[in-house]
Amino acid sequence: EVQLVESGGGLVKPGGSLRLSCAASGFTFSSYSMNWVRQPPGKGLEWVASTISSGSYTFYADSVKGRFTIFRDNAKNSLYLQMNSLRAADTAVYYCASENCTIGDCFYDFWGQGTLVTVSS
Amino acid sequence: QSVLTQPPSMSGAPGQRVTVSCTGSSSNIGAGYDVHWYQYLPGTAPKLLIYGDTNRPSGVPDRFSGSKSATSASLAITGLQAEDEAEYYCQSYDRSLSVVVFGGGTKLTVL
Repeated sequence: EVQLVESGGGLVKPGGSLRLSCAASGFTFSSYSMNWVRQPPGKGLEWVASTISSGSYTFYADSVKGRFTIFRDNAKNSLYLQMNSLRAADTAVYYCASENCTIGDCFYDFWGQGTLVTVSS
Repeated sequence: QSVLTQPPSMSGAPGQRVTVSCTGSSSNIGAGYDVHWYQYLPGTAPKLLIYGDTNRPSGVPDRFSGSKSATSASLAITGLQAEDEAEYYCQSYDRSLSVVVFGGGTKLTVL
């Protein structure tokens, strides 16, 4: 059974930092691109960042570029999101999700239950 | 404001058929990019319902079906059940923004 378990969320002051983790099991983690997707309170889903299977390429939403870093440790089957210079607008539930692609179009086939990040003074 | 537009809420009685719409534009759905659908219950992991416009992953009941036409897509649920009460999100890719985009979500209530 595929499992993705996020951790590391919490309350942080504006300008602060937080590192999220996602522990993966039940599939060959090192073969899949992985993503972070977030959902601000009362709003829809927003893609945040992705990394290919090897971790050598990463991609970011404009809203987090330069502040967030996605990385992975395939030996530990883990995905991370280092979040710096946090803003109130970053308040959201953060999900990690595995990516699957068919003829170029990609979707997220498995998701974790999410971890809540609250940025407030 | 989401790039893909969904009705914020819908409702239906048990056994009925409901259709959730997802309206995009010529830079996403209309450009031929696939539409995918997710079911979300607060506090749980979102679940992939439909991928590639019309395909159901293993384990998803055939009561759920997807379709696409021009710049819109739809998720149909037949034989509505109480357990279908959830939020539903569509997802595609936007070539102008060069990013994955989601709809704002539709909260489905089973009466």
